[in-house]
Amino acid sequence: GENVEQHPSTLSVQEGDSAVIKCTYSDSASNYFPWYKQELGKRPQLIIDIRSNVGEKKDQRIAVTLNKTAKHFSLHITETQPEDSAVYFCAASSMDSNYQLIWGAGTKLIIKP
Amino acid sequence: NAGVMQNPRHLVRRRGQEARLRCSPMKGHSHVYWYRQLPEEGLKFMVYLQKENIIDESGMPKERFSAEFPKEGPSILRIQQVVRGDSAAYFCAITPLQGHNEQFFGPGTRLTVL
Repeated sequence: GENVEQHPSTLSVQEGDSAVIKCTYSDSASNYFPWYKQELGKRPQLIIDIRSNVGEKKDQRIAVTLNKTAKHFSLHITETQPEDSAVYFCAASSMDSNYQLIWGAGTKLIIKP
Repeated sequence: NAGVMQNPRHLVRRRGQEARLRCSPMKGHSHVYWYRQLPEEGLKFMVYLQKENIIDESGMPKERFSAEFPKEGPSILRIQQVVRGDSAAYFCAITPLQGHNEQFFGPGTRLTVL
């Protein structure tokens, strides 16, 4: 079955700098890759997703890139702000897995003022 | 609210009692996932249900835990004879349509077992 690994587990960056979180997956049939942001005490919220027919997707300061050959995808946050501090989860999904999301372990992003 | 409500938001139980957690998707949403999140940890899949059907319960502990999604009413996650280790946040998530991957989470129920 699918396995998703996420790195790093904790990332500390200076406010205004960029942050990059990486995930790898094992199932070549996976075709949907969302990223969720979870603030302390809140629900996970979908912030951006990408499907396997594209290599990159951007939404203002966040972007996701996908390398199908290498089976990895990354979240990029530019010009980080204090409100970006949260735990970020990646996931992968395919029709073969009944569209269920297989989750990474999460990255705690800390933005230093 | 992402189309899904959960109640109660906070639940306190003593060891040995039963906990019932409810997930109410907006009308028309018939696919529900339940997740457990221990403090400072990631999301652990428990069960995937459609109306009147358990599709995948591979993440559900074999004992004390059960889930249902009846034709009418909310999805229920039931934990019998709770223990301290059951203390966690329990989230349900909905997917808009069958064959779609996106999941949208409810606000969660925080269960505390004394």
